[in-house]
Amino acid sequence: SAVISQKPSRDICQRGTSLTIQCQVDSQVTMMFWYRQQPGQSLTLIATANQGSEATYESGFVIDKFPISRPNLTFSTLTVSNMSPEDSSIYLCSVDRQGGTEAFFGQGTRLTVV
Amino acid sequence: GNSVTQMEGPVTLSEEAFLTINCTYTATGYPSLFWYVQYPGEGLQLLLKATKADDKGSNKGFEATYRKETTSFHLEKGSVQVSDSAVYFCALSARNTGNQFYFGTGTSLTVIP
Repeated sequence: SAVISQKPSRDICQRGTSLTIQCQVDSQVTMMFWYRQQPGQSLTLIATANQGSEATYESGFVIDKFPISRPNLTFSTLTVSNMSPEDSSIYLCSVDRQGGTEAFFGQGTRLTVV
Repeated sequence: GNSVTQMEGPVTLSEEAFLTINCTYTATGYPSLFWYVQYPGEGLQLLLKATKADDKGSNKGFEATYRKETTSFHLEKGSVQVSDSAVYFCALSARNTGNQFYFGTGTSLTVIP
């Protein structure tokens, strides 16, 4: 299994500001994934982060709004930029260590924008 | 494309009742299927999985069988407990999409004493 530490676990932020979420994995992984879970909704993939290359964003998500860093094989950050109340969600980091046979998740960051 | 359709909730059951949460999928190729559980205030945890047709995943009294003929992966438990109250997500992973995971909308389960 993989142990994923994500922080902060929750935050309340003012609109117009930015928040950076950190994700630390206890072992090296090739790909890391960032998901958004809006209230009462399922998970939506934001982007896939590979070490040494730019993140790949899903339709509806752009780098200017959700810049991602992946400096090494155990760490990634997601920034939610210029926040609005519509960005209030749970953001989840995930890794896939077994070629698609299992995904592991961090505990999530519960973001509230006021 | 790949997608997962999951029974909508919320579901409320009495303790010791039988649970079924329906899940069907659409996928090209041969996906792996999963059930994840999210307890209040926590991230997702893998509950069980099946990687090929007719496999049965099981854990903590929950079971699900990979049915290729009906493209289904229904979650069942014979006797639920209050501690099973959580949101359950059906998901698939397919190699033809780089092992990306696709999630259903989640089913909220509340078990009352």
